[in-house]
Amino acid sequence: DGGITQSPKYLFRKEGQNVTLSCEQNLNHDAMYWYRQDPGQGLRLIYYSQIVNDFQKGDIAEGYSVSREKKESFPLTVTSAQKNPTAFYLCASSNQGGETQYFGPGTRLLVL
Amino acid sequence: GQNIDQPTEMTATEGAIVQINCTYQTSGFNGLFWYQQHAGEAPTFLSYNVLDGLEEKGRFSSFLSRSKGYSYLLLKELQMKDSASYLCAVPLTDSWGKFQFGAGTQVVVTP
Repeated sequence: DGGITQSPKYLFRKEGQNVTLSCEQNLNHDAMYWYRQDPGQGLRLIYYSQIVNDFQKGDIAEGYSVSREKKESFPLTVTSAQKNPTAFYLCASSNQGGETQYFGPGTRLLVL
Repeated sequence: GQNIDQPTEMTATEGAIVQINCTYQTSGFNGLFWYQQHAGEAPTFLSYNVLDGLEEKGRFSSFLSRSKGYSYLLLKELQMKDSASYLCAVPLTDSWGKFQFGAGTQVVVTP
């Protein structure tokens, strides 16, 4: 089945630790996105990528990094510079920019 | 700048109708999306409007007025499973691929 997957479902981070969230899609989509969602708030864009080997900062990129070495994969690293990482992280993809975005099931990141 | 407003919460009884309004202010316009998000889950696509008027899909309909910067999502014959957050989203015309999402409207369906 075609779709977008994220792992893990829950992730715990210790102080000063970098953690990486996985996002994979087999929809053959060019564009991929990372969003952060906090309770009672809308989705805020962290990074997005229009094509392999290219990505752009979103509205809240500080403390995060990404790579896009393969069309199917867009991992997000939450670095120790992100002082308030506890949130629900959603990955999405679309055929092209501005078209319908399809979301993965999300990763909930918690700080120990 | 871009701005999207929608009510925070709405409550309705099973079998009733609820209308969720969304107003937007954008420098250009490439359509408006509605998503449904159950608690702790991913948003799922409901509808896309780019032309004025009403689009009907079963129990859900979406309306757009570009001149007024206004859309609504109409949920008919409400069921308990419709309890969720409904997100209004607009793709930005000045930033390829970026969407502006509203904060979402939490719909609570009561028996």
